[in-house]
Amino acid sequence: DSGVTQTPKHLITATGQRVTLRCSPRSGDLSVYWYQQSLDQGLQFLIHYYNGEERAKGNILERFSAQQFPDLHSELNLSSLELGDSALYFCASSDAQGTNEKLFFGSGTQLSVL
Amino acid sequence: DQQVKQNSPSLSVQEGRISILNCDYTNSMFDYFLWYKKYPAEGPTFLISISSIKDKNEDGRFTVFLNKSAKHLSLHIVPSQPGDSAVYFCAAPPGNTPLVFGKGTRLSVIA
Repeated sequence: DSGVTQTPKHLITATGQRVTLRCSPRSGDLSVYWYQQSLDQGLQFLIHYYNGEERAKGNILERFSAQQFPDLHSELNLSSLELGDSALYFCASSDAQGTNEKLFFGSGTQLSVL
Repeated sequence: DQQVKQNSPSLSVQEGRISILNCDYTNSMFDYFLWYKKYPAEGPTFLISISSIKDKNEDGRFTVFLNKSAKHLSLHIVPSQPGDSAVYFCAAPPGNTPLVFGKGTRLSVIA
């Protein structure tokens, strides 16, 4: 158990809809990262938050947004969903501010867009 | 543009033999590399890392070798066990930014 909690584990929705994925980092970790894993891709970095502030953006679509709340949990919002958004979404946390060794990953949310 | 490449999507090895997983990178500024292991229905977990000041790092049955001139690293698992069957990701931090990962190699260890 990594200590990172992601909910829900599975999500099935239709095109055009909006969903919210939730992540609770390990106790004490201030950094939260979101990654997307599609079928033929590795882990693609989406966005990084540190102590409530956005620190880095990766290949995140404009239809996607995220935030980190004062209690340090994070939410990833995906809107106007398309079939191609079907993927495994991982949240990871660390106690580091910028460097990224030893990220601790949650078990992921499997999103299926039908 | 993939900065970290794992060109073998899968690998099958017999139990007790050596497993060698390979990773190539394009950015010569990378100075730290990590390997993560992922079981089905779980998130990736950190396995082993290596700094560019070393060419080898060992942790039990797992050894990572780094060849900076070739921009290549490899993970050796000796002896391989059925419980090692998983997807292995190579990763590196491009400067002070989040980790970039390869596409992974699925290792199957056959009893």
